[in-house]
Amino acid sequence: NAGVTQTPKFQVLKTGQSMTLQCAQDMNHEYMSWYRQDPGMGLRLIHYSVGAGITDQGEVPNGYNVSRSTTEDFPLRLLSAAPSQTSVYFCASRGTVQETQYFGPGTRLLVL
Amino acid sequence: DQQVKQNSPSLSVQEGRISILNCDYTNSMFDYFLWYKKYPAEGPTFLISISSIKDKNEDGRFTVFLNKSAKHLSLHIVPSQPGDSAVYFCAASDLLRGADGLTFGKGTHLIIQP
Repeated sequence: NAGVTQTPKFQVLKTGQSMTLQCAQDMNHEYMSWYRQDPGMGLRLIHYSVGAGITDQGEVPNGYNVSRSTTEDFPLRLLSAAPSQTSVYFCASRGTVQETQYFGPGTRLLVL
Repeated sequence: DQQVKQNSPSLSVQEGRISILNCDYTNSMFDYFLWYKKYPAEGPTFLISISSIKDKNEDGRFTVFLNKSAKHLSLHIVPSQPGDSAVYFCAASDLLRGADGLTFGKGTHLIIQP
């Protein structure tokens, strides 16, 4: 049971480049979400999804797009990377509302 | 404005003693609270939770206390062990909204000294 997996582990981008951060879970969880963590900050919610075909914005959605075509996958797209998007990105999933969220290992992104 | 506040960026405790990590919240809609533990270069892992209908929840060496009137919760670790050295995040959610995700504090770095 792999849980929540994220790829890549580390990525360097130039300003203006685009890329997709991958997230997959094998627990058949309906709820998935993306957070970013910056130094000295807690995790902040970017986007979330309550099921395939349904997504919504979190606290800091600007500059990011998501889609949820399957239950397993929830990719996060950076359309035009900016240095302010340098961060560690965590994907999470959970089953029912009462259950806890399980986090992936994170993707470290550096935008130059 | 931060809705979940952890005012101590770091805490140093001797091995074997009690570690007490504090968390305050401002949003009265929060009704479910969690503590996550995070090691460097890893994702946060769930530690313990409490719903607003309770004021205490225990799991082994970990106990979470909730004071709703003060909008305050605390995590007690007894006895503290070297492996407890990590960053601890307090998080809160509103079960009515459920899928809006968690609101996190900035974290407290707990250092257990031998």
